[in-house]
Amino acid sequence: EVHLVESGGALVQPGGSLRLSCGASGFSFSTYWMSWVRQAPGKGLEWVASINQDGSTKYYIDSVKGRFTVSRDNAKDSLYMQMNSLSADDTALYYCAGEPRTMEYWGQGTLVTVSS
Amino acid sequence: DVVMTQSPLSLPVTLGQPASISCRSSQSLVHSDGNTYLTWFQQRPGQSPRRLIYKVSKRDSGVPDRFSGSGSGTDFTLKISRVEAEDVGVYYCMQGTHWPFTFGQGTRLGIK
Repeated sequence: EVHLVESGGALVQPGGSLRLSCGASGFSFSTYWMSWVRQAPGKGLEWVASINQDGSTKYYIDSVKGRFTVSRDNAKDSLYMQMNSLSADDTALYYCAGEPRTMEYWGQGTLVTVSS
Repeated sequence: DVVMTQSPLSLPVTLGQPASISCRSSQSLVHSDGNTYLTWFQQRPGQSPRRLIYKVSKRDSGVPDRFSGSGSGTDFTLKISRVEAEDVGVYYCMQGTHWPFTFGQGTRLGIK
């Protein structure tokens, strides 16, 4: 059975940083593109970033370019997202998801709250 | 960016009756590899999204056959043949053809 478990969400002040992690199991992690998707409180889903199998190709939504960095460690079956210069607009539940074109797998999400 | 427009945004349905959700894209979703990456998700209250349909009409394992997807190009539909209580939630379409990938606004399905 596939499991994606996110962690690292927290309350952070505007301008602060956080690193999200996602541990994967139950599938061949190193052969999958992976993604981060977020959902602001009471709002819809928004794709944030994706990374290819070996980490050499990354895509980001414009609003996070230059502030967020997606990475992965295939030896640890883990996906990461370094988030810098956070603002209130980044407040959301962040989901780890597999295979960005069709998003077959989803985690339970980790909550990031940006507030002073 | 490709804009995904869902309608209706709210859908009250009587149990046992059919339901239909439309999703229209601002550009064709046919990829150069020949696939059309249009996906439907269900998000029940308090839960993570769950994929129902991918590549327009392929139903995921474990998804009841009362769910079906259809369409082509820029016009897509999710149909539920007979709504059950467990179908309550928000339904999203998503395009995975053109970066950045984008979701529809969501359609909230409730029981009348």
